[in-house]
Amino acid sequence: GDSVTQMEGPVTLSEEAFLTINCTYTATGYPSLFWYVQYPGEGLQLLLKATKADDKGSNKGFEATYRKETTSFHLEKGSVQVSDSAVYFCALTGGGSEKLVFGKGTKLTVNP
Amino acid sequence: GAVVSQHPSWVICKSGTSVKIECRSLDFQATTMFWYRQFPKQSLMLMATSNEGSKATYEQGVEKDKFLINHASLTLSTLTVTSAHPEDSSFYICSARNELKNNEQFFGPGTRLTVL
Repeated sequence: GDSVTQMEGPVTLSEEAFLTINCTYTATGYPSLFWYVQYPGEGLQLLLKATKADDKGSNKGFEATYRKETTSFHLEKGSVQVSDSAVYFCALTGGGSEKLVFGKGTKLTVNP
Repeated sequence: GAVVSQHPSWVICKSGTSVKIECRSLDFQATTMFWYRQFPKQSLMLMATSNEGSKATYEQGVEKDKFLINHASLTLSTLTVTSAHPEDSSFYICSARNELKNNEQFFGPGTRLTVL
């Protein structure tokens, strides 16, 4: 079945550092890909998404590009802030289904 | 916005008792809600899809008699863990699909269940 693998955390960075969180997937057909963020005490929020190959999703300075050839959707941000501290989940929907398949989540801590 | 709440945020119960968790869409109507379960350091696993006015659709391996789902209105779905046991201890998360926002799922903050 479909699956998502993302880098295990936790990840600790200093403010203004460059962030990459790797995500690869296994799916039949052409899945849609998502990054969700969960801030402490809150529900998951959609951060960005891409629905077809070579699409780039972006939001709040974060970017991820749908790479079909490498089945990847890595999350990047050029300069992280303390307020970016959260847990990040990579996810997909595939096969015409709206069911989300999640990775395990990566906890990011950004220190001042 | 599109806000989803869950109640309670945490609950501790004795083995053998039943626990009800509520999921509410506060500012939109949701014909479809989803229930997930998350174990420590694991991904969210979909348990069931809750449809307003009809029976829930359970994922393979999820006991429907154990995890009762009721979606009686367009803003409320409930998950009842019946005869809870310590292995049911987990983090339960719901989401609600917003048809007016491109069918995006909006998530509740989760409920931590601990069964003693």
